[in-house]
Amino acid sequence: GQQVMQIPQYQHVQEGEDFTTYCNSSTTLSNIQWYKQRPGGHPVFLIQLVKSGEVKKQKRLTFQFGEAKKNSSLHITATQTTDVGTYFCAGRPTGNQFYFGTGTSLTVIP
Amino acid sequence: DAGITQSPRHKVTETGTPVTLRCHQTENHRYMYWYRQDPGHGLRLIHYSYGVKDTDKGEVSDGYSVSRSKTEDFLLTLESATSSQTSVYFCAISEWGQGNQPQHFGDGTRLSIL
Repeated sequence: GQQVMQIPQYQHVQEGEDFTTYCNSSTTLSNIQWYKQRPGGHPVFLIQLVKSGEVKKQKRLTFQFGEAKKNSSLHITATQTTDVGTYFCAGRPTGNQFYFGTGTSLTVIP
Repeated sequence: DAGITQSPRHKVTETGTPVTLRCHQTENHRYMYWYRQDPGHGLRLIHYSYGVKDTDKGEVSDGYSVSRSKTEDFLLTLESATSSQTSVYFCAISEWGQGNQPQHFGDGTRLSIL
């Protein structure tokens, strides 16, 4: 069954508003990765988090890994139309297999 | 973008027919993966390979088989396609094990089974 849950499934924001997507696992994760998929495209790797409580930033994007390593979030400040797409988290409990979340589809209204 | 080519890009076929999808990479990466993407399910791993002739099952492997006779090619076969296998299939590669390496995805194959 689905080991990694992601919310919300859809999010519509006005350009300039902030956006956050959340990823939750019932089990402790060894690490977590985030991907972005543009409409009609393929997933593209954004970042990986490994340490408990880790925070990483990429320009307007802030990624966090929870203290218990069971949850993660991606926050975008002041969204732009180029941020449109679906954002996926992918968590690895143990072993070699990642479990992808169901994704959050972001629409940015100009 | 990583050198990954999936073929065909689109295919329509009938229930019960065999289907083979091909993934070709020019990066000489050791690990290759096949995922399917369906609305509401995200990406689910079907099979992966960690070397020539070395493969393992993923989360949703029933009804699928794979082969890797060369480093650069990873084939996904549906022996007898069913309508439930209508999906978008993505191939991905990573340099080392999946555990701590980014995965680079191909452009996908849209498969429709009528």
